Amino acid sequence: DAGITQSPRHKVTETGTPVTLRCHQTENHRYMYWYRQDPGHGLRLIHYSYGVKDTDKGEVSDGYSVSRSKTEDFLLTLESATSSQTSVYFCAISPVGRGDYEQYFGPGTRLTVT
Amino acid sequence: DQQVKQNSPSLSVQEGRISILNCDYTNSMFDYFLWYKKYPAEGPTFLISISSIKDKNEDGRFTVFLNKSAKHLSLHIVPSQPGDSAVYFCAAGTGTASKLTFGTGTRLQVTL
Repeated sequence: DAGITQSPRHKVTETGTPVTLRCHQTENHRYMYWYRQDPGHGLRLIHYSYGVKDTDKGEVSDGYSVSRSKTEDFLLTLESATSSQTSVYFCAISPVGRGDYEQYFGPGTRLTVT
Repeated sequence: DQQVKQNSPSLSVQEGRISILNCDYTNSMFDYFLWYKKYPAEGPTFLISISSIKDKNEDGRFTVFLNKSAKHLSLHIVPSQPGDSAVYFCAAGTGTASKLTFGTGTRLQVTL
């Protein structure tokens, strides 16, 4: 158990509203990631963080922003949600020292934008 | 540009038989490959990995094979069990960043 929680687990929101998803880890891992999963696309990286206040873009970052003010929390914000952002969002962490590539995932947040 | 491809969206195998899931990649800089398993309504779980310096890695019923010249990897599950029914994702990473690129997934169904 990698000690990752995501909140909320489910959310329905209207187009144009801001939405923030939270990822919380209990084990002080340096690297954290946000992915979205869509049919036919697999898992696509949105943003990732390699330390407090250190973040970078992934392949599908448009329309999303992130923040990491504490090691344990990584927030994903949709500034103005659109229907194309309806998806399942997964947070992941990468434990340094156990293989830089292995990532461990949270349970996911299902977001529906109406 | 899909750098990691899983060309079979689904696969059905009888219980007890071998399941073979395939993955192709285009980026020759990838040097580490992983397989994840995902059940509905859960996050992906790490299954097995292989470094580019190896051509095989085994863990119980699961074996991953890497053919660097063909830019191809495969996951063998022997014997297949009903609990193996899930979506399997392959992923690849490079030494310069702790980022992974995932394939689109293959849904494995193991039938009785």
